[in-house]
Amino acid sequence: AQSVTQPDIHITVSEGASLELRCNYSYGATPYLFWYVQSPGQGLQLLLKYFSGDTLVQGIKGFEAEFKRSQSSFNLRKPSVHWSDAAEYFCAVGEGDIILTGGGNKLTFGTGTQLKVEL
Amino acid sequence: DGGITQSPKYLFRKEGQNVTLSCEQNLNHDAMYWYRQDPGQGLRLIYYSQIVNDFQKGDIAEGYSVSREKKESFPLTVTSAQKNPTAFYLCASSIQRQGGQPQHFGDGTRLSIL
Repeated sequence: AQSVTQPDIHITVSEGASLELRCNYSYGATPYLFWYVQSPGQGLQLLLKYFSGDTLVQGIKGFEAEFKRSQSSFNLRKPSVHWSDAAEYFCAVGEGDIILTGGGNKLTFGTGTQLKVEL
Repeated sequence: DGGITQSPKYLFRKEGQNVTLSCEQNLNHDAMYWYRQDPGQGLRLIYYSQIVNDFQKGDIAEGYSVSREKKESFPLTVTSAQKNPTAFYLCASSIQRQGGQPQHFGDGTRLSIL
């Protein structure tokens, strides 16, 4: 079964500093990977996704993520954090070909990383 | 604008009572999902539906029920059998073609016990 690990429960960075949120996945085939962001009391917003091709993926709000197959990782990065980036971030892995798996586009989520930004 | 609407935003349940959470989407998506979110546990899948009149149990279906009579709607009932229903509930939808489609989320319903 697929799984996602986000080893950092909380991270605090200063505004303007760089950010890297870690994500490791376990999946038997080529994974579909996603990063979502959640503000308090809100739903999840998609930041970026990786399906195939270029391993460096650009997303919204200045975020990027790099897929490293050898490390089973998909870390999220931002060069300069803004106070408005404070939120909870979730990494997710999706099932592959739904015809083969029959499971639909189910996602397995990590437990999240809470980002605090110090002014 | 297309999107997913969850209602109500806040819901209170009395002991022994069933409550129903609404989820409506106008994205023309075939697949819909219900998740439960508890602090520190991420999102856990309750039920999902890939097509009208069909749905499957997720990882934590006990104490919950769903229906999918219309493509746009996927209501979740939290029954009295669910002994710990206090949580944030999220509904999502996605295109149902080849794998790897992202899910789109509503703004959630927070359920509490009176």
